[in-house]
Amino acid sequence: KQEVTQIPAALSVPEGENLVLNCSFTDSAIYNLQWFRQDPGKGLTSLLLIQSSQREQTSGRLNASLDKSSGRSTLYIAASQPGDSATYLCAVRPDRDDKIIFGKGTRLHILP
Amino acid sequence: SAVISQKPSRDICQRGTSLTIQCQVDSQVTMMFWYRQQPGQSLTLIATANQGSEATYESGFVIDKFPISRPNLTFSTLTVSNMSPEDSSIYLCSVNEDRADTEAFFGQGTRLTVV
Repeated sequence: KQEVTQIPAALSVPEGENLVLNCSFTDSAIYNLQWFRQDPGKGLTSLLLIQSSQREQTSGRLNASLDKSSGRSTLYIAASQPGDSATYLCAVRPDRDDKIIFGKGTRLHILP
Repeated sequence: SAVISQKPSRDICQRGTSLTIQCQVDSQVTMMFWYRQQPGQSLTLIATANQGSEATYESGFVIDKFPISRPNLTFSTLTVSNMSPEDSSIYLCSVNEDRADTEAFFGQGTRLTVV
């Protein structure tokens, strides 16, 4: 059974720092992995999608990497800003499955 | 990309009543999903809404409590029936396609409080 774990559960850093959020999954047979952002009480915004054949994806200050064989992904945020404060969710879609399995998220707080 | 409109965005309901949440997509999609997010928790899949057939429910969720309709390829509803305070959550609909290069998209969520 696929399980997704995110570390740390919460993180507070001063504005301007670079930071890394970690995601691990137990079964390497995945279709893709997606990182989402969720603001309090709101829906999910897709940040980056990495297909199983890819190693990384970049969008602006965000870079996500995938090491499928070791069951790990990282989300790197460069030059963090207070507007980056949100919960970041990692989700994997297992092979031959329609469903997406979510981690519990990392609550990020960027201090002005 | 898909744009999903979900209504209502929030509601406060009396216990014992029912609430129907609507999800409208701006394009035809094969698969639609309904999730629940309890306070402080991550997302849990309730069911997969299939057009032309009954929804497929995950373990712990039943049709009598969460009836789902999927009348066409752009619309679905989720009803939360006979509500209790434990049903207070954010409910989200999502769409996905059977391709590795396609993102899953989510509606804005419905924040339900049962009193």
